Amino acid sequence: DADVTQTPRNRITKTGKRIMLECSQTKGHDRMYWYRQDPGLGLRLIYYSFDVKDINKGEISDGYSVSRQAQAKFSLSLESAIPNQTALYFCATRLAGGNEQFFGPGTRLTVL
Amino acid sequence: GQQVMQIPQYQHVQEGEDFTTYCNSSTTLSNIQWYKQRPGGHPVFLIQLVKSGEVKKQKRLTFQFGEAKKNSSLHITATQTTDVGTYFCAGSGVFSGGSNYKLTFGKGTLLTVNP
Repeated sequence: DADVTQTPRNRITKTGKRIMLECSQTKGHDRMYWYRQDPGLGLRLIYYSFDVKDINKGEISDGYSVSRQAQAKFSLSLESAIPNQTALYFCATRLAGGNEQFFGPGTRLTVL
Repeated sequence: GQQVMQIPQYQHVQEGEDFTTYCNSSTTLSNIQWYKQRPGGHPVFLIQLVKSGEVKKQKRLTFQFGEAKKNSSLHITATQTTDVGTYFCAGSGVFSGGSNYKLTFGKGTLLTVNP
């Protein structure tokens, strides 16, 4: 799954700061997803995109925004970070008509 | 909205013992997937089940999809230390089927194995 990369891998920031997490993929997949993982809560969908012009909110989109700059790039932004956004963030991709989602290595974000 | 519940949250076994995790949906599912996440790693796809009552096997892993397509299970026979990790089920709702579906993940079951 090195075909899905996330930057940065770790980030510590302060409350109120704007931060962007980036996801790139070389799989040629059109579907891209952003998830958040918290201990004991599993994976929760933040945003998903089916192509460059199709972006949809997931179950926990408040406080987040996204940008699909190209088919291969999907960025997640926290406009004003707050401590309860401390979590592990995963990007995932899927080929239209395919089954599995391919996850990136994750970004561990800490908001102080 | 669609909810997917998974139990148990944790399971500790002795190597060689069997392990089962259960997944239940509040609504009928179009399909269900299972993922494994090793400690410090990212989720990796294991399998997808689509048909009512479907049973699939991968070596020591057996996956089942309920007749009503609202529940599923993963059973591991004779666990090994390499089975350690968190197992997630993820369901796709009936009305989000087709090529545009999105998944609702269960909270996962963390399996630890004592050698």
